Amino acid sequence: EAAVTQSPRNKVAVTGGKVTLSCNQTNNHNNMYWYRQDTGHGLRLIHYSYGAGSTEKGDIPDGYKASRPSQENFSLILELATPSQTSVYFCASGDAGQGTYEQYFGPGTRLTVL
Amino acid sequence: QEKVQQSPESLIVPEGAMVSLNCSFSDSASQSIWWYQQHPGKGPKALISIFSNGNKKEGRLTVYLNRASLHVSLHIKDSQPSDSAVYLCAVTPTGANTGKLTFGHGTILRVHP
Repeated sequence: EAAVTQSPRNKVAVTGGKVTLSCNQTNNHNNMYWYRQDTGHGLRLIHYSYGAGSTEKGDIPDGYKASRPSQENFSLILELATPSQTSVYFCASGDAGQGTYEQYFGPGTRLTVL
Repeated sequence: QEKVQQSPESLIVPEGAMVSLNCSFSDSASQSIWWYQQHPGKGPKALISIFSNGNKKEGRLTVYLNRASLHVSLHIKDSQPSDSAVYLCAVTPTGANTGKLTFGHGTILRVHP
């Protein structure tokens, strides 16, 4: 079965600090996605990638950067964390080329910015 | 931008009941429509998808799609306490070969024994 892992699982950061969330997938999927999930907003797409070296802006990219150094790894970077970025972050992988568009999600990272 | 709305926001049913969840979307040309299940503290997991008008049945799950009315529903037969979770409707926007999904806010389902 598809496997997506995230680290860390929980993170407390200070306002203005730099935070890096990591995601690894062993599915050999081309596409990877970063979402945040907040009560009242559901899952919202931050950044996504078509493959190693590519990153694209999603629906709410402001304040976030992404990096895809390899097929397996996709990172989300908060250069200057703010309390409004306190949320649960999910990474997902999928292969739109197969026409199914199914996404496989990781377990999430709970980020608290104080 | 595609909009996805789900109803009801929450639902409590007794074990064995039929559960019906609703989802409306804004673009009739949207591609696949997915239902995901999310248990507390876990990531969403895909349950079932549909592309063509009509219905699709998999085990205890049946999904109905009506593109003309921009509506899709998920029905869970003989519900179990283990079905208690958040159910998310997700739509692949028109022309998107990126695999991007737009999610609704979800329906919280609780099945009590």
